[in-house]
Amino acid sequence: EDKVVQSPLSLVVHEGDTVTLNCSYEVTNFRSLLWYKQEKKAPTFLFMLTSSGIEKKSGRLSSILDKKELFSILNITATQTGDSAVYLCAVEAGSNYQLIWGAGTKLIIKP
Amino acid sequence: NAGVMQNPRHLVRRRGQEARLRCSPMKGHSHVYWYRQLPEEGLKFMVYLQKENIIDESGMPKERFSAEFPKEGPSILRIQQVVRGDSAAYFCASSPRMAGNTGELFFGEGSRLTVL
Repeated sequence: EDKVVQSPLSLVVHEGDTVTLNCSYEVTNFRSLLWYKQEKKAPTFLFMLTSSGIEKKSGRLSSILDKKELFSILNITATQTGDSAVYLCAVEAGSNYQLIWGAGTKLIIKP
Repeated sequence: NAGVMQNPRHLVRRRGQEARLRCSPMKGHSHVYWYRQLPEEGLKFMVYLQKENIIDESGMPKERFSAEFPKEGPSILRIQQVVRGDSAAYFCASSPRMAGNTGELFFGEGSRLTVL
């Protein structure tokens, strides 16, 4: 059965710290891995990763995929209270269009 | 360009009643996906629809749940004879193409269903 596991489930850090969120997967016929940020409302798209070893960067956020070890990390540097959210990882696999979602990492940034 | 619109945002029903959740995709999007999110869990796929067609409903319970996406109007997720276990946030997402090709879905803000 395809599965996506995120860790940690929750994380509390202070403003200015750097955090690393993990997403590991076991799927058949991997196509892509996506990161979303979910605050109180809808998830918003952060990154899509398809190739191993190529870092994607957007401001203080960056992400990389390791297709050999079957995981991805999402890094956030110089965290701010506005980074507090649930970060969701999803993997697209197989020949269909379904995304398999992890349970998310709840990140709390304390001022 | 308005985003994905879902309504109602909050819906309270008693056990045995019906719940109807609506989703208007972004303009130009003909692919709609419904997801359910239970507390402390990730999003779970329910159904994928294109205009007038159900493409995949493998994530949707076979009883009491149905979905449609008519030629005109919003997509509707219908839950008949609701039970307490149906209480969840239901998210709709749309895409201009099959999500596998874009990798990006545009999500609505969700409809929170509470069953008393």
